[in-house]
Amino acid sequence: DAGITQSPRHKVTETGTPVTLRCHQTENHRYMYWYRQDPGHGLRLIHYSYGVKDTDKGEVSDGYSVSRSKTEDFLLTLESATSSQTSVYFCAISASGNTEAFFGQGTRLTVV
Amino acid sequence: GESVGLHLPTLSVQEGDNSIINCAYSNSASDYFIWYKQESGKGPQFIIDIRSNMDKRQGQRVTVLLNKTVKHLSLQIAATQPGDSAVYFCADNRASSGYSTLTFGKGTMLLVSP
Repeated sequence: DAGITQSPRHKVTETGTPVTLRCHQTENHRYMYWYRQDPGHGLRLIHYSYGVKDTDKGEVSDGYSVSRSKTEDFLLTLESATSSQTSVYFCAISASGNTEAFFGQGTRLTVV
Repeated sequence: GESVGLHLPTLSVQEGDNSIINCAYSNSASDYFIWYKQESGKGPQFIIDIRSNMDKRQGQRVTVLLNKTVKHLSLQIAATQPGDSAVYFCADNRASSGYSTLTFGKGTMLLVSP
């Protein structure tokens, strides 16, 4: 999977608790992305990063924050998880915004 | 858990047939397009890409066709095999705050019968 590791792979959490998902890459790619995947909606971009400490919002960023303190790690945080954030979360990396993105194996998050 | 395949258009073919999966995009400014394959429980996997200065690009058993006039993209899979069964997504790049990101279609499920 192009040197991308997502952790945890599965998580069940309670409504209102904070949750952090981690994406780690060994490819030294500049761009990193967080997508969520839900039936009927496909893959939707939450946030992305175009460099260390450089991040921007995607299509569905409300309720999520991200941080990138070093090239290899991109963290996605749900400050106060809600049931609507139950989803499968994918991290992706790319060398630039105009080249193919490589995806991790995904994290299945369930908010109860 | 609920499958990513729910609510998706589905293409059912016989092994050995050729498959054509279609995708419409909306952004006339997009200049880069990708097809991904996603098997159950896995992340999307890159298949083939094409830039807007091309109409056609071929890979191993796959061909992507781009019609910019009608904003249409297609993926052709030759001699489809059971291992090709998966959900297929098209994606195009769109600029956001000066940076390009990929926007995905909702996907098509391909079912290949032996």
